[in-house]
Amino acid sequence: EAGVAQSPRYKIIEKRQSVAFWCNPISGHATLYWYQQILGQGPKLLIQFQNNGVVDDSQLPKDRFSAERLKGVDSTLKIQPAKLEDSAVYLCASSVITWGTDTQYFGPGTRLTVL
Amino acid sequence: AQTVTQSQPEMSVQEAETVTLSCTYDTSESDYYLFWYKQPPSRQMILVIRQEAYKQQNATENRFSVNFQKAAKSFSLKISDSQLGDAAMYFCAYRSPDYTGANSKLTFGKGITLSVRP
Repeated sequence: EAGVAQSPRYKIIEKRQSVAFWCNPISGHATLYWYQQILGQGPKLLIQFQNNGVVDDSQLPKDRFSAERLKGVDSTLKIQPAKLEDSAVYLCASSVITWGTDTQYFGPGTRLTVL
Repeated sequence: AQTVTQSQPEMSVQEAETVTLSCTYDTSESDYYLFWYKQPPSRQMILVIRQEAYKQQNATENRFSVNFQKAAKSFSLKISDSQLGDAAMYFCAYRSPDYTGANSKLTFGKGITLSVRP
């Protein structure tokens, strides 16, 4: 079974530029999460999708971040314009309910450096 | 809101020895799930072990086991017979029981860096 795929793995941009990250979840996983992991901290949820609908985006900085999952499969997270404090690893995870519970499987992440 | 605290930023263990990583959490819920995730330098987060709060028996997965103290809100991970491949960051995480909605997100601690000495 293929895991969660993310691209690119690394991205360096200057502040005020825009950037987009892509995630392809495990086949059949209805729930998709985007987490932000700042160096030295644990991941923090940015947005959660159930199929192509948003379940939780309460911690997404909506003035600069946006995300979509149009067909309920892969997803794109965009930052425009980027700030220095956006430097972090962006992790995508997916999950499916099995036997009354679920497990989140994570992708390798995209490391973003904003100069 | 739930919080997860990992107060030890770093730990070191000799190969083949046993090490225990600590985690405490705060919640007003009576039912929930707790997890330990491992994140090697390649940064792919991998689930190590899961504990359901309603289960009194501590979870075990091969060399990994937990000590779950519900009243104390403590959830420690014990790694037996440590191997070089165990070197990684370990995150403790909490999840509410409602896995169908907005509460299914994981709340992570800050993590602990484990090094294994040969």
